[in-house]
Amino acid sequence: GAGVSQSPSNKVTEKGKDVELRCDPISGHTALYWYRQSLGQGLEFLIYFQGNSAPDKSGLPSDRFSAERTGGSVSTLTIQRTQQEDSAVYLCASSLQPGQASNYGYTFGSGTRLTVV
Amino acid sequence: KQEVTQIPAALSVPEGENLVLNCSFTDSAIYNLQWFRQDPGKGLTSLLLIQSSQREQTSGRLNASLDKSSGRSTLYIAASQPGDSATYLCAVTPGAQKLVFGQGTRLTINP
Repeated sequence: GAGVSQSPSNKVTEKGKDVELRCDPISGHTALYWYRQSLGQGLEFLIYFQGNSAPDKSGLPSDRFSAERTGGSVSTLTIQRTQQEDSAVYLCASSLQPGQASNYGYTFGSGTRLTVV
Repeated sequence: KQEVTQIPAALSVPEGENLVLNCSFTDSAIYNLQWFRQDPGKGLTSLLLIQSSQREQTSGRLNASLDKSSGRSTLYIAASQPGDSATYLCAVTPGAQKLVFGQGTRLTINP
């Protein structure tokens, strides 16, 4: 696609419920990243995918958080048993693998605003 | 560990002024540096990407410079407009890894 697409754009859920957030990267981008931005805070790295594998998942805050990527394309971030502190904007980005001839900057989606009530 | 610092944290200037936003990073071993803009409640919009071998990039009224050896980058905005009001984020790529972001500079342009 033309850009990184995230869905849903907004999600309100009750504490204790599970949620799934989806990211569709730019076609051909092998690297995919998830970030979290809490109110008034900077961007917090969560996980990085290269293809379908996750070489760096060091930013996942707890075992309630998991992510997968299939077919080297779509990624899903799952939060189980949501807590109020999970409320944030979850941003996805994709990029070409560094080293390729063309621009390997990062393109971000518009994010999913998650509110846990 | 790579750390990115942006100064100032907030800046308010009258319309028409030229201004400079600063970004510094602790480890000069980076693939590239990218400046983003974020409007309230929105995602990030990429403004300029400077690869490690480059010294500057320009797009319209924006000019970004990179001095890898000193760990600094500046974003210059010429003839500022109220529509430039947003948070500006600087981020570096330490190899084929995640972006490391600064905390951002919140810019307000007063008509």
